[in-house]
Amino acid sequence: SQQGEEDPQALSIQEGENATMNCSYKTSINNLQWYRQNSGRGLVHLILIRSNEREKHSGRLRVTLDTSKKSSSLLITASRAADTASYFCATISRGGGSNYKLTFGKGTLLTVNP
Amino acid sequence: GAVVSQHPSRVICKSGTSVKIECRSLDFQATTMFWYRQFPKQSLMLMATSNEGSKATYEQGVEKDKFLINHASLTLSTLTVTSAHPEDSSFYICSASTGGDEQFFGPGTRLTVL
Repeated sequence: SQQGEEDPQALSIQEGENATMNCSYKTSINNLQWYRQNSGRGLVHLILIRSNEREKHSGRLRVTLDTSKKSSSLLITASRAADTASYFCATISRGGGSNYKLTFGKGTLLTVNP
Repeated sequence: GAVVSQHPSRVICKSGTSVKIECRSLDFQATTMFWYRQFPKQSLMLMATSNEGSKATYEQGVEKDKFLINHASLTLSTLTVTSAHPEDSSFYICSASTGGDEQFFGPGTRLTVL
């Protein structure tokens, strides 16, 4: 399996519902980040959670991190049609030399129906 | 702050030609820049990491002679796809870092090779 695998791969919900996406990873990390990508566009950084944090909130977003299970979840509350996008988790680890390296998961395609 | 631009946003070229993509950090100095490739409906895959003034470090399976990376200044990195072929058609995204564990992403470049 790849580092940073999300499930589900696709999620379709109604506006107003909550959306939960999960991410699992395999190696030790410095932090984990969640990104959003609208179709054919660049990445938007949503939230970063460090390895010593367990939960973090930002607006309608709630991220949890369980380093013992090597997993994270992203919860979007009260979803809106504009939340329709692909969501990726990415883990940070030390790459070659002194560089940090981001490894992305496969992503979850979220569709919020109006 | 932390804005990264890419140019061009999309390019169409004939098979066998070379294409150069620029990545610029507009309001900060990027000691490290990263290049990713994303095929349709797939995740981002790191291609290479470049530190200003030194040779890029390529990920396994990425041909360094085909994907030439130059990071000549603290605000500019270029990726040149040499002798492009249709299978090189992809979405290329750069990111920039000041050396810490946070990366700032560009909007991406859509390359189509006919």
